[in-house]
Amino acid sequence: GENVEQHPSTLSVQEGDSAVIKCTYSDSASNYFPWYKQELGKRPQLIIDIRSNVGEKKDQRIAVTLNKTAKHFSLHITETQPEDSAVYFCAASKSSASKIIFGSGTRLSIRP
Amino acid sequence: NAGVTQTPKFQVLKTGQSMTLQCAQDMNHNSMYWYRQDPGMGLRLIYYSASEGTTDKGEVPNGYNVSRLNKREFSLRLESAAPSQTSVYFCASSAAGDEQYFGPGTRLTVT
Repeated sequence: GENVEQHPSTLSVQEGDSAVIKCTYSDSASNYFPWYKQELGKRPQLIIDIRSNVGEKKDQRIAVTLNKTAKHFSLHITETQPEDSAVYFCAASKSSASKIIFGSGTRLSIRP
Repeated sequence: NAGVTQTPKFQVLKTGQSMTLQCAQDMNHNSMYWYRQDPGMGLRLIYYSASEGTTDKGEVPNGYNVSRLNKREFSLRLESAAPSQTSVYFCASSAAGDEQYFGPGTRLTVT
């Protein structure tokens, strides 16, 4: 069935360094790839998304890249700050379908 | 706009009791979802509704029932609660193939 794999499950980086989280998906018809951030005790919230007609999207310190051939997409956070500490989820879906498949999550910790 | 609202915020049940979690959205979305999130774990889809009048099972539907009451409201019912259903429950809504908006969650403890 449809599957999204996410790595690593935990990530610790020094404040100011970059963090990269990677996901692969199984359904080649997927064309929408959002990333959600969940702070402790809060609801998941969208931080950036990309559609299959582009290869990269940036929003200030965060960027997402998509490789459709490899069925692989990644989240890049530069100049990490303490407030970036959270759990990050990738996901994949098809525009024609309402169901979305989430990855298992990455717990990102920023060391001062 | 309130977005996605859920009631109650917290609930404690005894094994075997029943309850209904309520969810409503005011964004005119066709699709609505129920997830559960166990401590330190990811989001697991229980049921979803692609449009008013339809519901489909997700990854972990056993022990739950849902009702899409109208376009705005999607409820989740536990008929006979079990300790394994202790979790945080999130409702979400979206337009097809677009961002999901999550409610604040319901923390359920079954003793």
